[in-house]
Amino acid sequence: DSGVTQTPKHLITATGQRVTLRCSPRSGDLSVYWYQQSLDQGLQFLIQYYNGEERAKGNILERFSAQQFPDLHSELNLSSLELGDSALYFCASSVGFLAGNIQYFGAGTRLSVL
Amino acid sequence: GQQLNQSPQSMFIQEGEDVSMNCTSSSIFNTWLWYKQDPGEGPVLLIALYKAGELTSNGRLTAQFGITRKDSFLNISASIPSDVGIYFCAGQLTGGSNYKLTFGKGTLLTVNP
Repeated sequence: DSGVTQTPKHLITATGQRVTLRCSPRSGDLSVYWYQQSLDQGLQFLIQYYNGEERAKGNILERFSAQQFPDLHSELNLSSLELGDSALYFCASSVGFLAGNIQYFGAGTRLSVL
Repeated sequence: GQQLNQSPQSMFIQEGEDVSMNCTSSSIFNTWLWYKQDPGEGPVLLIALYKAGELTSNGRLTAQFGITRKDSFLNISASIPSDVGIYFCAGQLTGGSNYKLTFGKGTLLTVNP
């Protein structure tokens, strides 16, 4: 158990809908990262938050957004969903935001867009 | 952007055999990491490497950070059935404000008992 909690584990929805994925980082970790894992693209970095503030953005679509709350949990919002958004979404957390801070991954949320 | 080439894509081996997989990059990294992912789970860190030339072991696993900082390899000795899974390399670059991990596409390992 990595200590990173993601809910829900599975999500099935229809095209055009909006969903929210939730992540609780390990106790004491201030940084949260979101990754998308698909068969063709592999694991791709989406976005990073540190202590409530956005630190870095990766290949995140404009239809996607995230935030980190004062209690340090984070939510990833996916809107106007398309079939191609079906993937595993992972949250990771680390103590800080510098290189060398090990990222620990949650078990992921499997999103299926039908 | 940075790309990691991980090979082989898959391996089928007999229990007890040694395994080797590697990653190469088009640009340098300051940190190399190796993760393992089991079905239905997130990646779990196996080994972290912070210095060019560094050789680090974790039980039957040994990994090295290449001298050029553009490559890394992972060896698994005397494989056992529970080694089955997908192994990912990941690189991280210091500097700036983005410390994201860039992942390879993974190596699927199957171990026949």
